[in-house]
Amino acid sequence: EIQLVESGGGLVQPGGSLRLSCEASEFTFGNHWMTWVRQAPGKGLEWVANIKDDRSGKYYLDSVRGRFTISGDNTKNSVYLEMNSLRAEDTAVYYCARYSGIHGWLDPWGRGTLVTVSS
Amino acid sequence: DIQMTQSPSSVSASVGDRVTITCRASQDVTKSLIWYQQKPGKAPKLLIYTASLLQSGVPSRFSGSGYGTEFTLTISGLQPEDFATYHCQQAETFPLTFGGGTKIEIK
Repeated sequence: EIQLVESGGGLVQPGGSLRLSCEASEFTFGNHWMTWVRQAPGKGLEWVANIKDDRSGKYYLDSVRGRFTISGDNTKNSVYLEMNSLRAEDTAVYYCARYSGIHGWLDPWGRGTLVTVSS
Repeated sequence: DIQMTQSPSSVSASVGDRVTITCRASQDVTKSLIWYQQKPGKAPKLLIYTASLLQSGVPSRFSGSGYGTEFTLTISGLQPEDFATYHCQQAETFPLTFGGGTKIEIK
């Protein structure tokens, strides 16, 4: 079964940093773009970043560009989200998902990891 | 950025009902429209892509239609497991954007 497992969330103070990880299994990781999407408590889904299959091309939500960095390691079947200068409005469950470059869908999704930015 | 607007934001329905959710895009996304189902505390699940194509394993009571800026998700014969929140997403261009979600509640 294809699986994505996120880790690295937690409580961090405003201005702090966190690094999220997402480990993939049961599919050819290096053939797929990957995505991070977040969901603030009680709110809708918000796309955060994408990384191409060769881990070179990257795309970001305007409000996180310059603060967040998406990266990937095809030898470890993992994608990462380095988050710096965190703000209260970054508080959310962060999901990683496999992205179809042809159809644009996100499938599957991991279970998510909660990031709370608070003093 | 392309803005996605879903309506209604919530709907009360009974088992067996037919429910239709609308998603409107602020500009033409051709057929690049995706629908997800999300249950409380769970990750979203892909239902429909390219506006009308059913993901493998999704029951045929789910259907999608539309093109350009207006799309619909229809559930024909609501089942107990269908009470959830539904999200649309445009896949035409980055940034990918989602609608605000539609919650289907038990009447």
